[in-house]
Amino acid sequence: NAGVTQTPKFQVLKTGQSMTLQCAQDMNHNSMYWYRQDPGMGLRLIYYSASEGTTDKGEVPNGYNVSRLNKREFSLRLESAAPSQTSVYFCASSEDNIYGYTFGSGTRLTVV
Amino acid sequence: RKEVEQDPGPFNVPEGATVAFNCTYSNSASQSFFWYRQDCRKEPKLLMSVYSSGNEDGRFTAQLNRASQYISLLIRDSKLSDSATYLCVVKPTGNQFYFGTGTSLTVIP
Repeated sequence: NAGVTQTPKFQVLKTGQSMTLQCAQDMNHNSMYWYRQDPGMGLRLIYYSASEGTTDKGEVPNGYNVSRLNKREFSLRLESAAPSQTSVYFCASSEDNIYGYTFGSGTRLTVV
Repeated sequence: RKEVEQDPGPFNVPEGATVAFNCTYSNSASQSFFWYRQDCRKEPKLLMSVYSSGNEDGRFTAQLNRASQYISLLIRDSKLSDSATYLCVVKPTGNQFYFGTGTSLTVIP
């Protein structure tokens, strides 16, 4: 089925460990996004990529890096995980920012 | 000031009731508006876009009031399956969409 695929679905990290969250979409969308969702805070944008080869910071980029590997794939890296990064992470893609987003199913990350 | 603000609820309504949610936005230059639905422990899914003239999709009606900078979602004849969190989304100029924190709805038998 067409859509946005995120891996892994669940992850537990120790403080200081690193990991990469993977995201791929097969809808030929130009724009891709990484959000985190925390209780009472809503969805907050970490980074986005308006097109292949470009990335920009969102509202909460500190502690994260991203790579737009090609048009399909957009990865999010935590270089040194902290407990404050415990959250649910969603990847999304959009056709030219007009028709709304399609989200992946999310990654539940716990940093202990 | 937050870009988008929503009443978090919760709204608990009986089956068959009509319920309305409002959402205010701060940037008067905002261009695009949406309502998303999020089920527990699931990803948000697009419910409907909101057009300037208002729009309807079955039991759901969305309206935009640019003068007062709010959007609304009306659900008629509520079903148990409507229980979810409803997120309003606003796109000002630029590439970023802003999400409200969501309004929780529970439809009671």
